[in-house]
Amino acid sequence: SQQGEEDPQALSIQEGENATMNCSYKTSINNLQWYRQNSGRGLVHLILIRSNEREKHSGRLRVTLDTSKKSSSLLITASRAADTASYFCATETGRRALTFGSGTRLQVQP
Amino acid sequence: DGGITQSPKYLFRKEGQNVTLSCEQNLNHDAMYWYRQDPGQGLRLIYYSQIVNDFQKGDIAEGYSVSREKKESFPLTVTSAQKNPTAFYLCASSSDGSGKNIQYFGAGTRLSVL
Repeated sequence: SQQGEEDPQALSIQEGENATMNCSYKTSINNLQWYRQNSGRGLVHLILIRSNEREKHSGRLRVTLDTSKKSSSLLITASRAADTASYFCATETGRRALTFGSGTRLQVQP
Repeated sequence: DGGITQSPKYLFRKEGQNVTLSCEQNLNHDAMYWYRQDPGQGLRLIYYSQIVNDFQKGDIAEGYSVSREKKESFPLTVTSAQKNPTAFYLCASSSDGSGKNIQYFGAGTRLSVL
């Protein structure tokens, strides 16, 4: 079953704009991770936020976590055409296997 | 060159045939995973293994089998019992040491039915 659900399913923006995608989940978590997938390729880990953290930054990425609402958001600032990809949230609940959401497809127009 | 290698990149299965997807890692990771991805969808867990000679069923294990005889290798067999095998299959590994379970993925195998 899908633990995480991303919103929106698809997002199209212009280069230089910010992109925000959201993830909701259902059960208690140890951490929440975001991954990126270029078309037809494997996933690449972007950033991890622990359940006791509220915000994390890495370069142009900012992740927030609200455990009371069971939700997270990923913000990509000053987007580039090379950011075009699908983005997935994944929750770690201690069962030693991540549970992935359905993903947000981001298209950045040059 | 460290990482996870999946082969083949493309695979075709005939009716009633079993096919095996290869996954090898040289990251010295204890845990390995197999996921299935259907078009426009997220990843669903098929099987995972935390140590050699041990593996656990995931959410959609029916019609699949695995083995973990070596730390570096975690092959997935798609059996004839899997009636809808067409999908993108992803293998991943993680190190248990940090407890974070950050996963490293191969490039995937795309399986189609002839």
